[in-house]
Amino acid sequence: NAGVTQTPKFRILKIGQSMTLQCAQDMNHNYMYWYRQDPGMGLKLIYYSVGAGITDKGEVPNGYNVSRSTTEDFPLRLELAAPSQTSVYFCASLRQGLMNTEAFFGQGTRLTVV
Amino acid sequence: KNEVEQSPQNLTAQEGEFITINCSYSVGISALHWLQQHPGGGIVSLFMLSSGKKKHGRLIATINIQEKHSSLHITASHPRDSAVYICAVPQGGSEKLVFGKGMKLTVNP
Repeated sequence: NAGVTQTPKFRILKIGQSMTLQCAQDMNHNYMYWYRQDPGMGLKLIYYSVGAGITDKGEVPNGYNVSRSTTEDFPLRLELAAPSQTSVYFCASLRQGLMNTEAFFGQGTRLTVV
Repeated sequence: KNEVEQSPQNLTAQEGEFITINCSYSVGISALHWLQQHPGGGIVSLFMLSSGKKKHGRLIATINIQEKHSSLHITASHPRDSAVYICAVPQGGSEKLVFGKGMKLTVNP
């Protein structure tokens, strides 16, 4: 298993540009998440999905969009990049078990908007 | 909304010391996660616990549901334990996790 694979690892965008952060997991997890991590702050939930075709907003969804056409993939779209979106982005999936729920994270994408 | 507080925010220790990291939350939960973020940024899950205590190697996690508090202990700390330790709890009854800001641990040789 590759786990959670996130691409790219680094990206610099100009203000107003758009991009898609890719996230894929091969563990057949229904729950997937996108978080952003700003310096000195905890992870903030952007969007999440409880299964293919179902997505919902998290704490900080403005400026982002997601889709979940398959169980494996959960891309995050930035339509009009703004400096406030400079952050490190993490994709995660959740293995749910009665006694052993476990979160799996991608390696993160460091995005700079200039 | 569940608020998660971690203390201390930073800790520097000498190799071999016993370390305790604390996490408090405001709303009753079914389970709590401890995660480790490596200096390179990668995040791995250490524990999920809903009661009592769990042990994995030199790491021990405890939780007191009534007091809404959990601790992560590291015995015989080593420089490779240097990382940010994060606790997370579900928001409401959902699987959305609310994260603490993390505690940065530095273990010096």
